[in-house]
Amino acid sequence: QVQLVESGGGVVQPGRSLRLSCAASGFTFSRYGMHWVRQAPGKGLEWVAVISDDGSNKYYVDSVKGRFTISRDNSKNTLYLQMNSLRDEDTAVYYCAKDLYSSGSVFEHWGQGTLVTVSS
Amino acid sequence: YELIQPPSVSVSPGQTASITCSGDKLGDKYACWYQQKPGQSPVLVIYQDNKRPSGIPERFSGSNSGNTATLTISGTQAMDEADYYCQAWDSSTGGFGGGTKLTVL
Repeated sequence: QVQLVESGGGVVQPGRSLRLSCAASGFTFSRYGMHWVRQAPGKGLEWVAVISDDGSNKYYVDSVKGRFTISRDNSKNTLYLQMNSLRDEDTAVYYCAKDLYSSGSVFEHWGQGTLVTVSS
Repeated sequence: YELIQPPSVSVSPGQTASITCSGDKLGDKYACWYQQKPGQSPVLVIYQDNKRPSGIPERFSGSNSGNTATLTISGTQAMDEADYYCQAWDSSTGGFGGGTKLTVL
């Protein structure tokens, strides 16, 4: 069965960096688009970024453009999110999600999430 | 891309619950719906407007036309109490509605 396991969350000061990872198993990772979606405490879901199956296409929500970078290593079945210049408003649970398609728009499976807290 | 949902909907057990999602020309896009229970990750319940993933009960259905997508839960059960989020893809970016808390009472 599909498993997505996020890691790398923690407490970080504003302006610092953090890298999240998402280890995937139970499916052919290199055939599917992958996303990061976040949820601030007590708030709704916010899509953050998507990467196509081969890594050639990447898109971001406006609020993270220029600060966050999504990437993947298909040889390691792992998705990443490099987060730089972190702000208080980036505090959230970050979920990785497998798309239903190779470059897509449907969050078919979700990980359990990893909490990022930006605080001085 | 802005999607608007009612903050809350209430329904009696066994009745039909309808949750709406409004967005500009939403009917020209595909809508998805996700269920999230407290402390859990979201679960996809409807995609491409009206398709159910395997394992999702038949009581969940969806429609999308004009500016409004609708999630319908027929014969609502206590286990359906959760937050529901609509989502659509526009110009290579994803957007979620603000979420609707479904209360079964």
